[in-house]
Amino acid sequence: NAGVMQNPRHLVRRRGQEARLRCSPMKGHSHVYWYRQLPEEGLKFMVYLQKENIIDESGMPKERFSAEFPKEGPSILRIQQVVRGDSAAYFCASSPPDRGQAFFGQGTRLTVV
Amino acid sequence: DQQVKQNSPSLSVQEGRISILNCDYTNSMFDYFLWYKKYPAEGPTFLISISSIKDKNEDGRFTVFLNKSAKHLSLHIVPSQPGDSAVYFCAASDYGGSQGNLIFGKGTKLSVKP
Repeated sequence: NAGVMQNPRHLVRRRGQEARLRCSPMKGHSHVYWYRQLPEEGLKFMVYLQKENIIDESGMPKERFSAEFPKEGPSILRIQQVVRGDSAAYFCASSPPDRGQAFFGQGTRLTVV
Repeated sequence: DQQVKQNSPSLSVQEGRISILNCDYTNSMFDYFLWYKKYPAEGPTFLISISSIKDKNEDGRFTVFLNKSAKHLSLHIVPSQPGDSAVYFCAASDYGGSQGNLIFGKGTKLSVKP
């Protein structure tokens, strides 16, 4: 049973480009969470999704950021027109239908140059 | 407004001794608490959890204590080993409510010296 898979592990984007981060949850998991970790900071909640539904996006910046978890395929965190301040590690976690503990992926390290 | 606080950014302990990591929370709706361990350039790894109906949960060298009246939990590691050196995150959730997301503290960096 593969763990939570995130790709790419490292992503470099120029200011103004789009960044797409992918997350495949563990098999049987229907809940996906995205977190961002800035340097010297803890993990900040961004968004919580179930298949085809955004349950809680209270941690998402109002502009440029969006997330989806389609019926088929991975969850995608999309950042449009990236700025230097978006440089961070982005972690995805998944949990089973009864929630329980969340398992994390290895993260995607986004660098905006 | 930090709902989960880990006030000690770092902790240094001698191998074989006890490590005690502390966490405070402000939201009385939290009913599930977890500890995660994180090595550099890796994702957090689940360690141990506790439901608000309990005040203690033990798993090998790791024990988590919950004091609901003080809104405080702690992670005890005994005996500490050099391989325990990592950043430890406390997390909380109101799983019984409508939200499911985990709220994390800023972490405590534990160094276990041989």
